[in-house]
Amino acid sequence: KNEVEQSPQNLTAQEGEFITINCSYSVGISALHWLQQHPGGGIVSLFMLSSGKKKHGRLIATINIQEKHSSLHITASHPRDSAVYICAASISNFGNEKLTFGTGTRLTIIP
Amino acid sequence: NAGVTQTPKFQVLKTGQSMTLQCAQDMNHNSMYWYRQDPGMGLRLIYYSASEGTTDKGEVPNGYNVSRLNKREFSLRLESAAPSQTSVYFCASSTGLYTDTQYFGPGTRLTVL
Repeated sequence: KNEVEQSPQNLTAQEGEFITINCSYSVGISALHWLQQHPGGGIVSLFMLSSGKKKHGRLIATINIQEKHSSLHITASHPRDSAVYICAASISNFGNEKLTFGTGTRLTIIP
Repeated sequence: NAGVTQTPKFQVLKTGQSMTLQCAQDMNHNSMYWYRQDPGMGLRLIYYSASEGTTDKGEVPNGYNVSRLNKREFSLRLESAAPSQTSVYFCASSTGLYTDTQYFGPGTRLTVL
């Protein structure tokens, strides 16, 4: 079982819909990252959070440390939001940090 | 301010050939990373450099070597390419190791025949 699991793997929605992508992890973490990868392949960091909630424009990321769960929300979705969204957890392992990535959620927004 | 740059963007090799992927960052970051991305799998760390002068193995280091030439540059070398190394390779950098935002290069698509 991967230490970081994302759901759903694929998501198709109509323009304007509220989108939620989920990320669960199985061990303690020091930080949780959300990344966006556009069809052209480039990867951009959206958020890094260790507690609570962060907002940037129409994107909101939340994390619940006790439940080992994070969500990425997109409000008023737009076709340009179509991309693969990746979560990654900074995991401490016997004093060594490592970053473990989920396999991504492919989001398609239909006009 | 170019961020993280990688060269080349595309490369085709024959089995057994060698090549070096170049990465440079202009953000004065301490830490740099090399990842590979394969279909259906998450990004996997090949090697990282926590700071200038240090390098360490990541999750999938076999078949690769790295050099942290200076604070700006971190290169990845394939000594004897194999078809299993066909992948997209990303370089990234950050201020601190893992718990700071990582900035990614545009990627190198490598095919080994």
